[in-house]
Amino acid sequence: SYVLTQPPSVSVAPGKTARITCGGKNIGSKNVHWYQQKPGQAPVLVIYYDSDRPSGIPERFSGSKSGNTATLTISRVEVGDEADYYCQVWDDNSDPLFGGGTELTV
Amino acid sequence: EVQLVQSGAEVKKPGESLKISCKGSGYTFTTSWIGWVRQMSGEGLEWMGIIYPGDSDTRYSPSFQGQVTISADKSISTAYLQWSSLKASDTAMYYCARPRGYSSSPFDYWGQGTLVTVSS
Repeated sequence: SYVLTQPPSVSVAPGKTARITCGGKNIGSKNVHWYQQKPGQAPVLVIYYDSDRPSGIPERFSGSKSGNTATLTISRVEVGDEADYYCQVWDDNSDPLFGGGTELTV
Repeated sequence: EVQLVQSGAEVKKPGESLKISCKGSGYTFTTSWIGWVRQMSGEGLEWMGIIYPGDSDTRYSPSFQGQVTISADKSISTAYLQWSSLKASDTAMYYCARPRGYSSSPFDYWGQGTLVTVSS
C-alpha cells in the first residue's frame, strides 16, 4: 500500500525558514495537499494541489515538489505557526491518504 | 458559507452502539462527498471512509471496513458514522471533512470534531 513519510518533528527559530518534507513513491504524479492542525483544533488546509494557497493563508506558506518528495515551506516563521502539519494525497486506489504528521516547534 | 457541524461528545461503554453526525450547510449536500477521519489521542489523521450523499455511494478504508458504517440522510443534509459494538480502542476524535471533488482533491472544509470516549 502507498505510504507517505514525514519527519516526526522539525524545529526552527522565529523568523527563519521551516521546511517540512513528505516522501512517497512517484509522488510527482500525485496532487499533494497540506494541512495545519493546532492543539485542540480541526485541521486547516494551507496548501493544495502542490503549491496553491487557499484564501486567508499567508504568503509565507508555500509548497513544492521534486522527485519523490513534496515540501511545505514556511518563511519568516512565527510562534503562531507552531502546529502539526500533515501531507495528503489520493492513492492508486483513489483513497485519501495522510502522512504521519510533523510537529513544528518554533 | 460552507459549514460542517458535528454532534457533541459521547461517553459510551464497551459493547454499546453509537451514531455520530455531521450536518452540512452552505453548499449542495447531494453533490459533494463527505469523508470521516479518525485521530486517536496524540496520533495522526486516519481516513476511515467517504460517502456521496446523492446516491449513497460509499467507500471504506481497508482498516475500517466492517468496523463502522457510514451513511447519509440527504433530506436533512447530514452524514453519519456509526458503530454497532464499541471497543475501548474506538476512543478518539472523529472529524468529518468535505473534499472539493473525488480523487486528487483537497479536504477544504472540516467539522469541529466529535470526541468519542469508550470506557467501562
